[in-house]
Amino acid sequence: GESVGLHLPTLSVQEGDNSIINCAYSNSASDYFIWYKQESGKGPQFIIDIRSNMDKRQGQRVTVLLNKTVKHLSLQIAATQPGDSAVYFCAEGAAAGNKLTFGGGTRVLVKP
Amino acid sequence: DAGVTQSPTHLIKTRGQQVTLRCSPKSGHDTVSWYQQALGQGPQFIFQYYEEEERQRGNFPDRFSGHQFPNYSSELNVNALLLGDSALYLCASSFQGRTQETQYFGPGTRLLVL
Repeated sequence: GESVGLHLPTLSVQEGDNSIINCAYSNSASDYFIWYKQESGKGPQFIIDIRSNMDKRQGQRVTVLLNKTVKHLSLQIAATQPGDSAVYFCAEGAAAGNKLTFGGGTRVLVKP
Repeated sequence: DAGVTQSPTHLIKTRGQQVTLRCSPKSGHDTVSWYQQALGQGPQFIFQYYEEEERQRGNFPDRFSGHQFPNYSSELNVNALLLGDSALYLCASSFQGRTQETQYFGPGTRLLVL
């Protein structure tokens, strides 16, 4: 079946350092991938997305890398700040507006 | 520009009862998806509504049903509540159009079944 998983359940990072969150997916038919950030008591917040015809996309302080050969997705956060502390989810789907399949999440803790 | 809104924010029910959760999509969006998020887990897709019809459905029993109204708002109904239905219920909206857009989530409704 379809599944999206994460390698590291918790990531502890020093403020100012770069963070890398990894994600593996199993459905080779997926065409759309997205990262969400979820703070305690809130709904998931869109960070960045990428379609399968790309292998890299950059946003403000964030970069998503897609390796379709090994079905791997990563989120890089530059100069991690205390406000980046949250749970990060990767998700995949056939298209942006379609059903999304989420992984279990990675908690990022930023140490001052 | 209002984002996705959901009501109520919290709800407590007992086993066997029925519950209705509500969602208003982001302005300009016409598609609503519902997800269930158990504590410590990622959201699980329940179903999606577009043009007032259920378009896709995840692996949830028929106790879970929904509706979309002409103004694109949506309701999620759960009958015969079980303890295991306790979760955060998330609504996400998007716009189909020609270029499908990202789904944006609301704050969720926290349901506790006793």
